[in-house]
Amino acid sequence: EDKVVQSPLSLVVHEGDTVTLNCSYEVTNFRSLLWYKQEKKAPTFLFMLTSSGIEKKSGRLSSILDKKELFSILNITATQTGDSAVYLCAPASNTGKLIFGQGTTLQVKP
Amino acid sequence: NAGVTQTPKFQVLKTGQSMTLQCAQDMNHNSMYWYRQDPGMGLRLIYYSASEGTTDKGEVPNGYNVSRLNKREFSLRLESAAPSQTSVYFCASSGGQAGNTEAFFGQGTRLTVV
Repeated sequence: EDKVVQSPLSLVVHEGDTVTLNCSYEVTNFRSLLWYKQEKKAPTFLFMLTSSGIEKKSGRLSSILDKKELFSILNITATQTGDSAVYLCAPASNTGKLIFGQGTTLQVKP
Repeated sequence: NAGVTQTPKFQVLKTGQSMTLQCAQDMNHNSMYWYRQDPGMGLRLIYYSASEGTTDKGEVPNGYNVSRLNKREFSLRLESAAPSQTSVYFCASSGGQAGNTEAFFGQGTRLTVV
């Protein structure tokens, strides 16, 4: 059975802190790993990772995938209150199936 | 560019009533998905359609049926609504090679079953 586990489930930090969010997965016919941010509405896309060890960056956010150990991390440096959201990871299979983890709720305090 | 459009945005049903949630995308995507989101549960996959003419069960299919009417439209039907189906429902679509592109989401349908 396919499985996705995110940790921690929730996190409270202060502005300027750096956070690391974890995602481990067991998915049949794995193809890629997607990260999304959700702020009370529909999820918005952050990254797609297909290759191990290659870091993807977008501003203060970065992510990397380890296909051997079946996990991914999402790093956010110099956090801001606008980073407060639920962060979701989603491994995709080459059959088209896309499942999500339960999410990490990040709260950034001023 | 509308992207993924879901209707209705809000709905209240009585236990035992039936309804269909509609989803349409205008991006010529092959794959479409239905998810439900409950507090603290992330997104749980109900059904998905990897291509026109195919549908597959996801993680929580019981109590639901789907129809991939054509490439654009993927509907979700509740035949006999139960309070446990109170949730926010999201439709999504993705294009290109299966599993190799991002999924785009509709704005969600908030369903309450009383």
